[in-house]
Amino acid sequence: EVQLVQSGAEVKKPGESLKISCKTSGYSFTSYWIGWVRQMPGKGLEWMGIIYPGDSDTRYSPSFQGQVTISADKSINTAYLQWSSLKASDTAMYYCARQSVVPAGKIEGEFDYWGQGTLVTVSS
Amino acid sequence: DIVMTQSPESLAVSLGERATINCKSSQSVLYSSNNENHLAWYQQKPGQPPKLLIYWASTREYGVPDRFSGSGSGTDFTLTISSLQAEDVAVYYCQQCYTTPITFGQGTRLEIK
Repeated sequence: EVQLVQSGAEVKKPGESLKISCKTSGYSFTSYWIGWVRQMPGKGLEWMGIIYPGDSDTRYSPSFQGQVTISADKSINTAYLQWSSLKASDTAMYYCARQSVVPAGKIEGEFDYWGQGTLVTVSS
Repeated sequence: DIVMTQSPESLAVSLGERATINCKSSQSVLYSSNNENHLAWYQQKPGQPPKLLIYWASTREYGVPDRFSGSGSGTDFTLTISSLQAEDVAVYYCQQCYTTPITFGQGTRLEIK
């Protein structure tokens, strides 16, 4: 059974750093792209970026490039999303999701399995 | 970036009636290599992550009830629920997977009339 289990809710102050995790199981971690999606309170879904754990190839949305870092540790089948300096506007629910298999030569695809979400609250 | 525009923003339908949600992309999402439209639909219920319903515009994900169907091509797409059930109350999102950055529509809130 494919599972993505995210780390727990976080409460941080502006300027602090943070790394949240997404532990996967039930499939070959290095063979599928895995991505992160932001959902601000009461708002819609925003695609942040994806990583291919097999070779660490990473693609970011321009909206999030330079604001966050996506990484993966294939020794423990876990993906990460991190911030070096949080802002109040980073307050949101963050979901990791596995991207389904895509046609040869293509990177982008839909997300077929999702984590439960990690709520990040940034407040002074 | 490809802009995805959904309509309506909210919708109230009686139980057993048809619900239709539209999604328009600012450019074609037809991928020539496999001749498929790279457009997906998701359902998100309160307090839950999104759930994939439809991919390639019209292919139902495994386990999704057949009252859900997707149609359209190029830039105009539709999600139809043929006979609304109480458990279908949710927000529905379209997503283009044609090119990065992948983008979502703003969502359509579906309620019972």
